[in-house]
Amino acid sequence: DTGVSQDPRHKITKRGQNVTFRCDPISEHNRLYWYRQTLGQGPEFLTYFQNEAQLEKSRLLSDRFSAERPKGSFSTLEIQRTEQGDSAMYLCASSLGSGTQYFGPGTRLLVL
Amino acid sequence: DQQVKQNSPSLSVQEGRISILNCDYTNSMFDYFLWYKKYPAEGPTFLISISSIKDKNEDGRFTVFLNKSAKHLSLHIVPSQPGDSAVYFCAASESANAGGTSYGKLTFGQGTILTVHP
Repeated sequence: DTGVSQDPRHKITKRGQNVTFRCDPISEHNRLYWYRQTLGQGPEFLTYFQNEAQLEKSRLLSDRFSAERPKGSFSTLEIQRTEQGDSAMYLCASSLGSGTQYFGPGTRLLVL
Repeated sequence: DQQVKQNSPSLSVQEGRISILNCDYTNSMFDYFLWYKKYPAEGPTFLISISSIKDKNEDGRFTVFLNKSAKHLSLHIVPSQPGDSAVYFCAASESANAGGTSYGKLTFGQGTILTVHP
């Protein structure tokens, strides 16, 4: 088991462009979480899935953000019309049920 | 509103001594607490957790203490080692069911940078 993986690890984009991140959870983990971390802060919850169902979304997740987990395995997080304020580390975590959440290495996004 | 607070941005400790990292929370519905460690360019790594039915949990050099009345938890690392130098986050979760077995999102503190000097 290789743990949670995220792709890409780094992304630089221009304001107004769309970006998509991918997360592959630990195999057999049925829950998948997305968090965002800005400089000097702890991770902030964005949304989570149990299998393919999106169970909770934070008010931080504006209508420019959308997340999917179509087959209950990998997940994608898309940000449309990026803004400079979207620059952050986007972290994915997975768990087996309510068990411990294991994090991936994150995708660092820089919006110019 | 910051429901989980780590009021010390940094802590410096000599190798072999005890490191004590503190965390306070305001949401009385939190009943499960965790500590994560984070190195630069990596995701957080789980260290240790504690349920609100306990006041102490120990795992090797790491011990977490929970004081529910004070809404305070602490992580003790003894003896501290240079490899422990990292950012430490406390996190909290509330159970979605009465049985205390279903947890979802984590709420994190801002982190404390621990530096252990040789």
